Amino acid sequence: QQQVKQSPQSLIVQKGGISIINCAYENTAFDYFPWYQQFPGKGPALLIAIRPDVSEKKEGRFTISFNKSAKQFSLHIMDSQPGDSATYFCAARGGTSYGKLTFGQGTILTVHP
Amino acid sequence: GAVVSQHPSRVICKSGTSVKIECRSLDFQATTMFWYRQFPKKSLMLMATSNEGSKATYEQGVEKDKFLINHASLTLSTLTVTSAHPEDSSFYICSAVPDISYEQYFGPGTRLTVT
Repeated sequence: QQQVKQSPQSLIVQKGGISIINCAYENTAFDYFPWYQQFPGKGPALLIAIRPDVSEKKEGRFTISFNKSAKQFSLHIMDSQPGDSATYFCAARGGTSYGKLTFGQGTILTVHP
Repeated sequence: GAVVSQHPSRVICKSGTSVKIECRSLDFQATTMFWYRQFPKKSLMLMATSNEGSKATYEQGVEKDKFLINHASLTLSTLTVTSAHPEDSSFYICSAVPDISYEQYFGPGTRLTVT
């Protein structure tokens, strides 16, 4: 019940296109849903995060869509750029694992020029 | 923004030796720090939760006698891999939390290679 399932495992997008990564969870006690971007050999960096009382949050080219009833949330990267090529992780926090983050499996995004 | 550093960034050690990795919060006090392990092309696996002034809480399956964690101050936590073996080779990442309700800020990671 603590799992967060992320898809797809890998994604190839042309420059200027939209990248969409999806996550699903089971634990309704999760109260915070961040997305992280990780470049090879580096630690994860927070990209954007959302709480379940909001259905959408946008920061620049990055948007989180949140569907509480379906227990799903997704990351949309508009106007994808080659510099966006990285691994993206969704995560969830809350429930019985107070303070801990439960990570999705990760999505390797490649944006072709 | 909140900055977390790790030292060293890379370390190579011989089998049987011990290695210490430091995690520091540079511009905030962290009551809680987390230690993760990441294998190539895999997700982050939580190893333990480190609280200042108390014993670390280890995740199931993580050997606490092998991975010693010390959170001696509000800005420093250390992970010591004791009697390291090649299977301990991995990317170790820490994160620090100013307060249990705040965001986790991640360090840049430490690449450990055991020969």
